[in-house]
Amino acid sequence: NAGVMQNPRHLVRRRGQEARLRCSPMKGHSHVYWYRQLPEEGLKFMVYLQKENIIDESGMPKERFSAEFPKEGPSILRIQQVVRGDSAAYFCASSPLAGSYNSPLHFGNGTRLTVT
Amino acid sequence: KNEVEQSPQNLTAQEGEFITINCSYSVGISALHWLQQHPGGGIVSLFMLSSGKKKHGRLIATINIQEKHSSLHITASHPRDSAVYICAVKSMRTDKLIFGTGTRLQVFP
Repeated sequence: NAGVMQNPRHLVRRRGQEARLRCSPMKGHSHVYWYRQLPEEGLKFMVYLQKENIIDESGMPKERFSAEFPKEGPSILRIQQVVRGDSAAYFCASSPLAGSYNSPLHFGNGTRLTVT
Repeated sequence: KNEVEQSPQNLTAQEGEFITINCSYSVGISALHWLQQHPGGGIVSLFMLSSGKKKHGRLIATINIQEKHSSLHITASHPRDSAVYICAVKSMRTDKLIFGTGTRLQVFP
Protein backbone atom coordinates (compact mmCIF):
# COMPACT_ATOMS: atom_id res chain seq x y z
CA ASN A 1 0.00 0.00 0.00
CA ALA A 2 1.89 3.00 -1.29
CA GLY A 3 2.06 6.05 0.92
CA VAL A 4 1.40 9.63 -0.11
CA MET A 5 3.37 10.28 -3.28
CA GLN A 6 4.62 13.72 -4.16
CA ASN A 7 6.50 14.72 -7.28
CA PRO A 8 8.79 16.10 -8.20
CA ARG A 9 11.02 15.87 -5.11
CA HIS A 10 13.00 18.89 -6.25
CA LEU A 11 11.87 21.63 -8.60
CA VAL A 12 13.89 24.58 -9.80
CA ARG A 13 12.14 27.45 -11.52
CA ARG A 14 13.24 30.88 -12.69
CA ARG A 15 11.35 33.92 -11.49
CA GLY A 16 8.17 34.35 -13.50
CA GLN A 17 7.78 30.70 -14.45
CA GLU A 18 5.02 28.39 -13.28
CA ALA A 19 5.47 25.61 -10.75
CA ARG A 20 3.20 22.54 -10.61
CA LEU A 21 3.41 20.26 -7.62
CA ARG A 22 1.62 16.92 -7.59
CA CYS A 23 0.28 14.83 -4.75
CA SER A 24 -1.28 11.39 -4.96
CA PRO A 25 -2.96 10.52 -1.66
CA MET A 26 -2.84 7.12 -0.07
CA LYS A 27 -5.19 4.59 -1.55
CA GLY A 28 -8.65 5.06 -0.08
CA HIS A 29 -7.96 8.60 1.12
CA SER A 30 -10.14 11.32 -0.32
CA HIS A 31 -8.95 14.27 1.76
CA VAL A 32 -5.79 16.17 0.86
CA TYR A 33 -4.01 18.95 2.73
CA TRP A 34 -1.17 21.13 1.45
CA TYR A 35 1.35 22.72 3.81
CA ARG A 36 4.29 25.02 3.19
CA GLN A 37 7.53 25.01 5.16
CA LEU A 38 9.65 28.09 4.69
CA PRO A 39 13.35 27.85 5.61
CA GLU A 40 13.81 27.86 9.39
CA GLU A 41 10.05 28.14 9.97
CA GLY A 42 7.32 25.74 10.98
CA LEU A 43 4.82 24.20 8.62
CA LYS A 44 1.85 26.36 7.69
CA PHE A 45 -1.52 25.20 6.44
CA MET A 46 -2.37 26.25 2.88
CA VAL A 47 -5.42 24.41 1.60
CA TYR A 48 -7.71 21.46 2.29
CA LEU A 49 -9.40 19.65 -0.58
CA GLN A 50 -11.70 16.75 -1.17
CA LYS A 51 -12.29 15.23 -4.57
CA GLU A 52 -13.46 18.05 -6.89
CA ASN A 53 -13.96 20.44 -3.97
CA ILE A 54 -11.90 23.05 -2.19
CA ILE A 55 -13.02 22.89 1.43
CA ASP A 56 -10.75 25.48 3.00
CA GLU A 57 -8.20 27.67 1.23
CA SER A 58 -7.74 30.20 4.00
CA GLY A 59 -3.98 29.59 4.10
CA MET A 60 -3.41 30.18 0.40
CA PRO A 61 -1.98 33.49 -0.81
CA LYS A 62 -4.74 35.34 -2.66
CA GLU A 63 -2.78 35.68 -5.88
CA ARG A 64 -0.74 33.28 -8.04
CA PHE A 65 -1.57 30.17 -5.98
CA SER A 66 -4.27 27.67 -6.83
CA ALA A 67 -5.04 24.07 -5.98
CA GLU A 68 -7.25 21.35 -7.36
CA PHE A 69 -8.08 17.74 -6.67
CA PRO A 70 -9.87 16.35 -9.71
CA LYS A 71 -12.07 13.28 -9.77
CA GLU A 72 -9.29 11.38 -11.50
CA GLY A 73 -5.61 11.96 -10.92
CA PRO A 74 -3.47 13.66 -8.31
CA SER A 75 -4.01 16.88 -6.45
CA ILE A 76 -2.12 19.77 -8.02
CA LEU A 77 -0.75 22.85 -6.31
CA ARG A 78 -0.01 25.47 -8.94
CA ILE A 79 2.08 28.58 -8.43
CA GLN A 80 2.08 31.08 -11.26
CA GLN A 81 4.80 33.67 -11.87
CA VAL A 82 6.98 32.35 -9.07
CA VAL A 83 9.07 34.71 -6.98
CA ARG A 84 12.10 34.01 -4.78
CA GLY A 85 9.89 34.10 -1.67
CA ASP A 86 8.03 31.03 -2.94
CA SER A 87 11.16 28.93 -2.36
CA ALA A 88 10.12 26.42 0.28
CA ALA A 89 9.27 22.81 0.92
CA TYR A 90 5.67 21.98 0.08
CA PHE A 91 4.16 18.99 1.83
CA CYS A 92 0.99 17.15 1.08
CA ALA A 93 -0.90 15.01 3.58
CA SER A 94 -3.93 12.81 3.16
CA SER A 95 -6.50 11.31 5.46
CA PRO A 96 -9.45 9.01 5.05
CA LEU A 97 -11.88 11.00 7.17
CA ALA A 98 -13.06 14.58 7.10
CA GLY A 99 -12.16 16.78 10.02
CA SER A 100 -12.36 14.03 12.55
CA TYR A 101 -10.07 14.53 15.53
CA ASN A 102 -9.10 10.88 15.44
CA SER A 103 -8.15 10.89 11.78
CA PRO A 104 -4.40 10.36 11.39
CA LEU A 105 -2.44 12.21 8.76
CA HIS A 106 -0.03 10.64 6.33
CA PHE A 107 2.53 12.96 4.81
CA GLY A 108 4.39 12.79 1.55
CA ASN A 109 8.13 13.42 1.24
CA GLY A 110 7.57 16.94 0.04
CA THR A 111 8.58 18.97 -3.00
CA ARG A 112 11.45 21.35 -2.52
CA LEU A 113 10.91 24.35 -4.75
CA THR A 114 13.84 26.64 -5.50
CA VAL A 115 13.23 29.86 -7.40
CA THR A 116 16.32 31.34 -8.98
CA LYS B 1 3.69 34.55 20.92
CA ASN B 2 3.23 31.37 18.86
CA GLU B 3 0.20 29.26 19.63
CA VAL B 4 2.45 26.18 19.79
CA GLU B 5 5.81 26.46 21.51
CA GLN B 6 8.43 23.74 21.63
CA SER B 7 11.47 23.46 23.83
CA PRO B 8 14.30 23.10 23.49
CA GLN B 9 14.88 24.33 19.93
CA ASN B 10 18.08 22.32 19.68
CA LEU B 11 19.17 19.30 21.63
CA THR B 12 22.31 17.21 21.54
CA ALA B 13 22.70 13.94 23.38
CA GLN B 14 25.04 10.99 23.73
CA GLU B 15 23.84 7.64 22.54
CA GLY B 16 21.87 5.92 25.26
CA GLU B 17 20.62 9.07 26.96
CA PHE B 18 16.97 9.68 27.86
CA ILE B 19 15.52 12.55 25.80
CA THR B 20 12.56 14.80 26.58
CA ILE B 21 11.04 17.31 24.17
CA ASN B 22 8.30 19.61 25.38
CA CYS B 23 5.33 21.21 23.67
CA SER B 24 3.02 23.86 25.11
CA TYR B 25 0.01 25.28 23.34
CA SER B 26 -2.44 28.07 24.03
CA VAL B 27 -5.52 27.07 22.02
CA GLY B 28 -8.29 24.56 22.59
CA ILE B 29 -7.43 21.38 20.77
CA SER B 30 -9.08 18.17 19.68
CA ALA B 31 -5.82 16.27 19.13
CA LEU B 32 -2.06 16.66 19.28
CA HIS B 33 0.43 15.11 16.87
CA TRP B 34 4.12 14.39 17.21
CA LEU B 35 5.93 14.24 13.88
CA GLN B 36 9.47 13.35 12.86
CA GLN B 37 11.31 14.98 9.97
CA HIS B 38 14.70 13.73 8.80
CA PRO B 39 17.05 16.13 6.98
CA GLY B 40 15.92 16.52 3.39
CA GLY B 41 13.26 13.95 4.02
CA GLY B 42 9.59 13.61 4.50
CA ILE B 43 7.48 13.82 7.60
CA VAL B 44 6.45 10.78 9.56
CA SER B 45 3.62 10.79 12.04
CA LEU B 46 4.79 9.30 15.35
CA PHE B 47 1.78 9.79 17.59
CA MET B 48 -1.66 11.30 17.65
CA LEU B 49 -3.15 11.70 21.09
CA SER B 50 -5.96 13.51 22.82
CA SER B 51 -5.40 12.31 26.38
CA GLY B 52 -3.07 10.28 28.55
CA LYS B 53 -0.06 8.49 27.21
CA LYS B 54 1.02 6.41 24.22
CA LYS B 55 4.08 4.23 23.75
CA HIS B 56 5.66 2.87 20.60
CA GLY B 57 8.98 1.10 20.98
CA ARG B 58 11.42 3.51 22.61
CA LEU B 59 9.10 6.49 22.11
CA ILE B 60 6.58 7.69 24.68
CA ALA B 61 4.20 10.63 24.28
CA THR B 62 2.16 12.16 27.07
CA ILE B 63 -0.37 14.94 27.15
CA ASN B 64 -1.89 16.98 29.98
CA ILE B 65 -4.99 18.68 28.63
CA GLN B 66 -5.54 20.85 31.71
CA GLU B 67 -2.00 22.22 31.56
CA LYS B 68 -1.97 22.37 27.72
CA HIS B 69 1.31 20.55 27.61
CA SER B 70 2.72 17.47 25.93
CA SER B 71 6.07 15.71 26.12
CA LEU B 72 7.84 13.32 23.79
CA HIS B 73 10.34 11.01 25.44
CA ILE B 74 12.96 8.85 23.75
CA THR B 75 14.54 6.15 25.86
CA ALA B 76 17.99 4.71 25.05
CA SER B 77 18.54 7.27 22.29
CA HIS B 78 20.41 6.24 19.17
CA PRO B 79 22.12 8.26 16.38
CA ARG B 80 19.34 7.23 14.00
CA ASP B 81 16.93 9.19 16.22
CA SER B 82 18.63 12.38 14.98
CA ALA B 83 15.89 14.41 13.31
CA VAL B 84 13.58 17.36 13.81
CA TYR B 85 10.62 16.57 16.04
CA ILE B 86 7.53 18.64 15.43
CA CYS B 87 4.52 19.12 17.67
CA ALA B 88 1.24 19.98 15.94
CA VAL B 89 -2.16 20.61 17.47
CA LYS B 90 -5.53 20.40 15.81
CA SER B 91 -7.40 23.58 16.73
CA MET B 92 -10.90 22.94 18.01
CA ARG B 93 -12.00 26.32 16.68
CA THR B 94 -10.61 26.12 13.12
CA ASP B 95 -10.14 22.35 12.74
CA LYS B 96 -6.69 23.08 11.27
CA LEU B 97 -3.28 21.87 12.35
CA ILE B 98 -1.02 24.46 13.99
CA PHE B 99 2.64 23.47 14.02
CA GLY B 100 5.48 24.21 16.36
CA THR B 101 8.81 25.18 14.80
CA GLY B 102 10.37 21.89 15.79
CA THR B 103 13.16 20.60 18.00
CA ARG B 104 16.36 19.60 16.24
CA LEU B 105 17.83 16.53 17.95
CA GLN B 106 21.33 15.22 17.34
CA VAL B 107 22.42 12.01 19.02
CA PHE B 108 26.13 11.29 18.92
CA PRO B 109 27.64 7.81 19.21
